[in-house]
Amino acid sequence: DAKTTQPPSMDCAEGRAANLPCNHSTISGNEYVYWYRQIHSQGPQYIIHGLKNNETNEMASLIITEDRKSSTLILPHATLRDTAVYYCIVRVARNYGGSQGNLIFGKGTKLSVKP
Amino acid sequence: EAGVAQSPRYKIIEKRQSVAFWCNPISGHATLYWYQQILGQGPKLLIQFQNNGVVDDSQLPKDRFSAERLKGVDSTLKIQPAKLEDSAVYLCASSLGTGALNTEAFFGQGTRLTVV
Repeated sequence: DAKTTQPPSMDCAEGRAANLPCNHSTISGNEYVYWYRQIHSQGPQYIIHGLKNNETNEMASLIITEDRKSSTLILPHATLRDTAVYYCIVRVARNYGGSQGNLIFGKGTKLSVKP
Repeated sequence: EAGVAQSPRYKIIEKRQSVAFWCNPISGHATLYWYQQILGQGPKLLIQFQNNGVVDDSQLPKDRFSAERLKGVDSTLKIQPAKLEDSAVYLCASSLGTGALNTEAFFGQGTRLTVV
């Protein structure tokens, strides 16, 4: 089962910042927070990930609380093309045996960006 | 860089028939995942490979589903026999899997299966 809780849907006005929250209160010390999004009829797309520090890339910013029990994905200037389902996932750094941790998806947040 | 390739894109079969899906991961990626995504739900992990070995197949319905990754590159997922509830999009993903920690997984476009 997914270890994250997200609101089922959110709306955002085009050009404004979209702030998507995620709760992961049972996160372990060796688990990272990942964000993916899925635009209709496409495979999920990686956005960003982090451990405990805030992270920023060309797509988004990730703010992780100091206790690591929650995080927020920020799309600074949302466009209509950002309309998608956004998934917050916690992923173990590496399995016992050295393989990569798997990605367990929840139901995500459906973000609708409106003109 | 070429992405994860999957084929076919669409498949319609009758219940009790067999079907196979093919995935070609990004070159050099050691980890390969198969997911099932039913309409309106998030992707559900079916199986994870590390090279040609299975890491996790706990969610794979082994009475009808099988997967293999010969030579640690391409992979096939088979359903035999198919049921109506197998109608879904089957997604393949790959990640580097060795060396650097926490490399992201890249997903293919998926195969949409309809069982009638």
